[in-house]
Order: sequence, then structure tokens, then C-alpha cells
Amino acid sequence: DVKVTQSSRYLVKRTGEKVFLECVQDMDHENMFWYRQDPGLGLRLIYFSYDVKMKEKGDIPEGYSVSREKKERFSLILESASTNQTSMYLCASCPAGLRAGYTFGSGTRLTVV
Amino acid sequence: ILNVEQSPQSLHVQEGDSTNFTCSFPSSNFYALHWYRWETAKSPEALFVMTLNGDEKKKGRISATLNTKEGYSYLYIKGSQPEDSATYLCAFMGPSAQGGSEKLVFGKGTKLTVNP
Repeated sequence: DVKVTQSSRYLVKRTGEKVFLECVQDMDHENMFWYRQDPGLGLRLIYFSYDVKMKEKGDIPEGYSVSREKKERFSLILESASTNQTSMYLCASCPAGLRAGYTFGSGTRLTVV
Repeated sequence: ILNVEQSPQSLHVQEGDSTNFTCSFPSSNFYALHWYRWETAKSPEALFVMTLNGDEKKKGRISATLNTKEGYSYLYIKGSQPEDSATYLCAFMGPSAQGGSEKLVFGKGTKLTVNP
């Protein structure tokens, strides 16, 4: 069964901490994405990557960075966590091209206190 | 930022009812339209990817239609069952506003509750 695995289901961090959210896919997909989901706002794209070491900003990149050193792994980094980054974070991947649906991870619920 | 609208926001139906939801999206520069089902405590799951005007897709009791000229898609569920209870998301793919790669823009979803 194909999978996108996110390293943590729940995470609590303190304001100002550097936070790493890890995502691994086993489908050899070229594209990987990080979204956050907040009530009433839907899924919003933070960053995505279409190849190793390549990245593009999404709609809400401020306060985040990403790393893709290997094809299967895409990390989201909160350089200095703030309370307004408390959210559900979803990773997704898909193959290259326009006809493929995304495969999502199960999400990480991050609380910044 | 592209706007993708879904209606209704939420819907309560009885088991056995048929139901439908709407997704509205920009009618220009269309690449693809996705539908996802997101059950509580699970990952969003892809239902359909539609790329051509007039596309109709079906998966069991769920089907979807696409009108790219007028910018809407309908999702239909025939004979709803309690296990159909989920949030249904549509997502539009068009060219990136910033000139980068294409990416999906999601609507806020329609939350369906099917009462036994």
C-alpha cells in the first residue's frame, strides 16, 4: 500500500523553538507539498517541491522553510515557532503531470504554547 | 490567489438520500479539477481527477461532472450511507500566478453527515 508518512501525529512546542516536521513517501513521486489546515480556511499551501533540492513558495510561506535533500523526504521547518503557527499540517505527494491525484499523510497537529 | 468556492458548507441527510455538492472555480486557464474525501482522523483521499470539459467520472455510488466553460463541478452521491460522512474537498489546478509550477488550490469543503 502506497504511503505518505508524517513523523508525528501530535506535537507541542514552545514559542521560539525551531521545529522540524518530516514527511516521507515511498512512491517515487516527484512532487511533494506542505499544507496547513485551519478551521474555516481550508487547506492552504505553504511550500512545494517538484524535484530534489528544488522548492517553490506556496500561498503562505512566511515563517517557514523547507528542505528536500532526497526524493522521498520533504521537511518543513518552523525557524522560530509562534502561536499563530498552531495548526494541522498535511504533507502530500504526487507524480509529475496534471492527471494524478495527491496522496496525503495523516497530518501533524502542532500546538505552539 | 485563485478562489475556489464550495457549497453548501455543510449538509445533513438521511441514509438512503441522494445528495450533491457544487464546486465553483475560475473558468479561464483551466488545467484540472480534483475531488477528495476527508474522513475524520484520516488522510484526504483522492476521488477523481478531471481534466476535460464535459468529463464525467464514477466510483461506486459517487460521481462527478465538470463544466470548465462555466467553471463548476458537481459531486453526486446516490443512496447516501453513514460511511459517506466526511468532508468533500474540491481543488482547482491552473497556472501559477507567480509564474512557477502549477499547484492545487483547495476549496473549504462540504461537510456531509449521513444519519442512519
